[in-house]
Amino acid sequence: DIQMTQSPSTLSASVGDRVTITCRASQSISSWLAWYQQKPGKAPKLLIYKASSLESGVPSRFSGSGSGTEFTLTISSLQPDDFATYYCQQYNRATWTFGQGTKVEIK
Amino acid sequence: QVQLVQSGAEVKKPGASVKVSCKVSGYTLTELSMHWVRQAPGKGLEWMGGFDPEDGETIYAQKFQGRVTMTEDTSTDTAYMELSSLRSEDTAVYYCATDILRFLEWSYSFDYWGQGTLVTVSS
Repeated sequence: DIQMTQSPSTLSASVGDRVTITCRASQSISSWLAWYQQKPGKAPKLLIYKASSLESGVPSRFSGSGSGTEFTLTISSLQPDDFATYYCQQYNRATWTFGQGTKVEIK
Repeated sequence: QVQLVQSGAEVKKPGASVKVSCKVSGYTLTELSMHWVRQAPGKGLEWMGGFDPEDGETIYAQKFQGRVTMTEDTSTDTAYMELSSLRSEDTAVYYCATDILRFLEWSYSFDYWGQGTLVTVSS
């Protein structure tokens, strides 16, 4: 099975900071990579699909890039509403797998 | 817009089974690829299985094979996930989540989520 490794596990940042989260796949997954935001007690929310496509209604400060085995989620200017946990998720050969998550905390 | 409404919280004893439902509105089940994801307390997201639109089959994560059954009632647009032989480690919030066709293509991501169902396994 493909393993997804996110880094860092925790990130401390301030409002206005540019934030980057990385997700690495143990083998190539082409562009079948999605990013989610989850807040405590809530279901995850889709931000990015197919590595770089912005989900409708998601602010443009969120962007995704990458292909193959290395992917990034970038928040161009962190807002108070963005403090949350972020997960990547891959699809390959009838298997879906999540990364372990990155918690974005207030510095 | 898809809405997914799940059944309520459950408390089960070890060894028992649990069946969680997910009622779809706004779309029909046949237009969606339905999946189930769980999250243990304080832990990350774990995909349990779902409908693979590539071959039209329901696929289960290896970890749950033999213990999980996912079914759909298209007459009521309700999906079900049944997990058997419960143990304490199965205590988690269980989510249904769907992929939808975008411009005749699946994105293999989960656009819509239910509100979650807490299943507690305790003697």
